[in-house]
Amino acid sequence: AQSVAQPEDQVNVAEGNPLTVKCTYSVSGNPYLFWYVQYPNRGLQFLLKYITGDNLVKGSYGFEAEFNKSQTSFHLKKPSALVSDSALYFCAVRDATGTALIFGKGTTLSVSS
Amino acid sequence: GAVVSQHPSWVICKSGTSVKIECRSLDFQATTMFWYRQFPKQSLMLMATSNEGSKATYEQGVEKDKFLINHASLTLSTLTVTSAHPEDSSFYICSASVTVSNQPQHFGDGTRLSIL
Repeated sequence: AQSVAQPEDQVNVAEGNPLTVKCTYSVSGNPYLFWYVQYPNRGLQFLLKYITGDNLVKGSYGFEAEFNKSQTSFHLKKPSALVSDSALYFCAVRDATGTALIFGKGTTLSVSS
Repeated sequence: GAVVSQHPSWVICKSGTSVKIECRSLDFQATTMFWYRQFPKQSLMLMATSNEGSKATYEQGVEKDKFLINHASLTLSTLTVTSAHPEDSSFYICSASVTVSNQPQHFGDGTRLSIL
């Protein structure tokens, strides 16, 4: 069965510092991995995806994520955090035959000024 | 980018009322639409998957007679919460996708449903 784990409920970081939001996955076969961000009372916005190719994926708003097959991880990163990055972040996975995304429980990112 | 419109964004109604939520893909044809439910500060719970022109596939534990889903066209899916009760109060989010598994789903902005 497919699953996604986001081990941290909350990540706190100071503005200007690098941030990492962790995600590990379990899927049979090759994974399709996604990161989404959710602001209060809004739907999810797509940030980036990994399908194949380069393990370092760049996405919207300066975010990037690194796919690590041996560690089954897909951590979200940003070199310099902004206060406006404060939101709820979801990692999601789908296998090559699937349609629906399986989401992690979400990680709240709080960036202080 | 792809746009999904969800309407209404907020509904407050009395217990026993039926509420319809619409989900439209504005600039692409969505062969598949998904309906999620989200409780405060929790992840999204997939309720059902709907494909245009066929019956929705409901996840285990979701009452199909309670949550009626219609996907009549490639750009519109509706979720009707029938005879709503306070325990149905939640944030409902739809998403739409083309039937290619390496493409992201695109989400509506959600509907906050409050049943009094």
